[in-house]
Amino acid sequence: DQQVKQNSPSLSVQEGRISILNCDYTNSMFDYFLWYKKYPAEGPTFLISISSIKDKNEDGRFTVFLNKSAKHLSLHIVPSQPGDSAVYFCAASFLSPSGNLIFGKGTKLSVKP
Amino acid sequence: DTAVSQTPKYLVTQMGNDKSIKCEQNLGHDTMYWYKQDSKKFLKIMFSYNNKELIINETVPNRFSPKSPDKAHLNLHINSLELGDSAVYFCASSQDRNQPQHFGDGTRLSIL
Repeated sequence: DQQVKQNSPSLSVQEGRISILNCDYTNSMFDYFLWYKKYPAEGPTFLISISSIKDKNEDGRFTVFLNKSAKHLSLHIVPSQPGDSAVYFCAASFLSPSGNLIFGKGTKLSVKP
Repeated sequence: DTAVSQTPKYLVTQMGNDKSIKCEQNLGHDTMYWYKQDSKKFLKIMFSYNNKELIINETVPNRFSPKSPDKAHLNLHINSLELGDSAVYFCASSQDRNQPQHFGDGTRLSIL
């Protein structure tokens, strides 16, 4: 049973345009959400996070939006660059001492020059 | 100056063998983790250690055992390897649960 879902396995965007990656979750107890970026043969790299008490967090070209009522979050990349081409993982965690992250399956983003 | 390093990067071995994967972090973090990425690409938590104490242990076979000689290391020992253990194993660390986890580059384990 997937608690964190990324329903689009891939996304292709033109350089300079906006990339929007989506993520849905089922457990309303999640209180912390993160996006990771992964290149082939490398580990995931932290990109941006958001606490459940906020609905938006911005860091440069990256903005994460959280809609708790819809149990949905999205990552916006503006403007998209070819170097952004990677697999993007959405992750969520509970209020617990473990910090256990639950990951989605990932969305492969291709940014075309 | 790699933050989280894992060795080896590739590990090919036969069924029934015992193997270890090492992980070291130089970030001064208090918590370390092991994740498994299976053939379906899901990243799933296996273990985490906080100040040398196991604080979670997901439903993994007891053939897998984490060992932490000190705060900077969390090694993964696997006994009696099975075909289904083939996967990429990632080590990670974080200062605490409210901080992002930093990942190593993974160890690709292949069982023949």
